[in-house]
Amino acid sequence: DTEVTQTPKHLVMGMTNKKSLKCEQHMGHRAMYWYKQKAKKPPELMFVYSYEKLSINESVPSRFSPECPNSSLLNLHLHALQPEDSALYLCASSQGGPGNTEAFFGQGTRLTVV
Amino acid sequence: AQTVTQSQPEMSVQEAETVTLSCTYDTSESNYYLFWYKQPPSRQMILVIRQEAYKQQNATENRFSVNFQKAAKSFSLKISDSQLGDTAMYFCAFMKPPTGNQFYFGTGTSLTVIP
Repeated sequence: DTEVTQTPKHLVMGMTNKKSLKCEQHMGHRAMYWYKQKAKKPPELMFVYSYEKLSINESVPSRFSPECPNSSLLNLHLHALQPEDSALYLCASSQGGPGNTEAFFGQGTRLTVV
Repeated sequence: AQTVTQSQPEMSVQEAETVTLSCTYDTSESNYYLFWYKQPPSRQMILVIRQEAYKQQNATENRFSVNFQKAAKSFSLKISDSQLGDTAMYFCAFMKPPTGNQFYFGTGTSLTVIP
């Protein structure tokens, strides 16, 4: 199984809503990532979890709150978002540690903030 | 900090022809990995090919091959016998081992294969 599964695939939310994005992998990877991607732009790193601990936060606004409940799951909690937060949110995972050689990506969640 | 540059925002190629996508990068590291990822309209980022910097031999995966010039910090992707399914955004990416917790992506090249 070399899949990273993201749910939901599409999400429309109002600026006062609270929602969560979910990411799951069963490859035994110990590093998991959240990226934000605008149309025709490269993915921008938001957060990295390494061995279930937050290791990198790229100065992301607090309205985005990541959570890693266990080594297979990664959540992104959303609250009070702005229309400019509309984007494709990609989750990725990699082996982590000395054996790290590539990242596997999910299909993303297309988020629209209205 | 590492930077990755793709100087060709858009390219097109006739079906069955060969096309080369360019990528340059800047780093002071001696050991690192370079990647080409493909992102079709389905959105999923798919690994096309990987190159370890310590290997002199250029990586090859079926119709995809790279020209890795370490001294010039250049990493181009050659697609032979282009197929309609190759239409996608292509991103060059850099990763520094061992933790590799940051992937640095280039700005992307939008490739269209014309029937």
